[in-house]
Amino acid sequence: GQNIDQPTEMTATEGAIVQINCTYQTSGFNGLFWYQQHAGEAPTFLSYNVLDGLEEKGRFSSFLSRSKGYSYLLLKELQMKDSASYLCAVRGYSTLTFGKGTMLLVSP
Amino acid sequence: NAGVMQNPRHLVRRRGQEARLRCSPMKGHSHVYWYRQLPEEGLKFMVYLQKENIIDESGMPKERFSAEFPKEGPSILRIQQVVRGDSAAYFCASSPTGGGINNEQFFGPGTRLTVL
Repeated sequence: GQNIDQPTEMTATEGAIVQINCTYQTSGFNGLFWYQQHAGEAPTFLSYNVLDGLEEKGRFSSFLSRSKGYSYLLLKELQMKDSASYLCAVRGYSTLTFGKGTMLLVSP
Repeated sequence: NAGVMQNPRHLVRRRGQEARLRCSPMKGHSHVYWYRQLPEEGLKFMVYLQKENIIDESGMPKERFSAEFPKEGPSILRIQQVVRGDSAAYFCASSPTGGGINNEQFFGPGTRLTVL
């Protein structure tokens, strides 16, 4: 079976750094994805990790530890537009299992 | 290059009616995935299709729900005899291949189904 846990919501202020954690227990693992989803819109791809370590992409970074079943998404220099839900998803062979998402609220 | 297209964007049905949701994958993509998102819930995988084949339907309810991806035309998710619990956002995603490393799924804008 698949189980993915992430915090329900987080708050942060503009310009700050925030880390969103994700833990997983899955029967198969072929990578971990982070998606951003604004209310009423489609999820959009942020990052992908399949090997242990940190992947950096502009203001966003994602980390993976396969032995610990753990990942985090790091958002730097927060902007108001970063207020959204952040979805952690684990891929088995071809399908994605999503966590419930973390709602991030960025305040001025 | 158009992204994943879904229609209709909003669909209202009365209990007992049928709902048909359409998804056109990105150009060059032959793999389609359907997900359902209930309010306050995460995306739940329903079904994975290739052209003319259902690859994995482990997430789809056994009754009333069916999906197809014909050789020509969009993928269709069909819900028969809808009930209020079917009200949700239904997202379609596509990818160029099914497995493999770094095979990102691109999502469509979703169809929001409301059952009265």
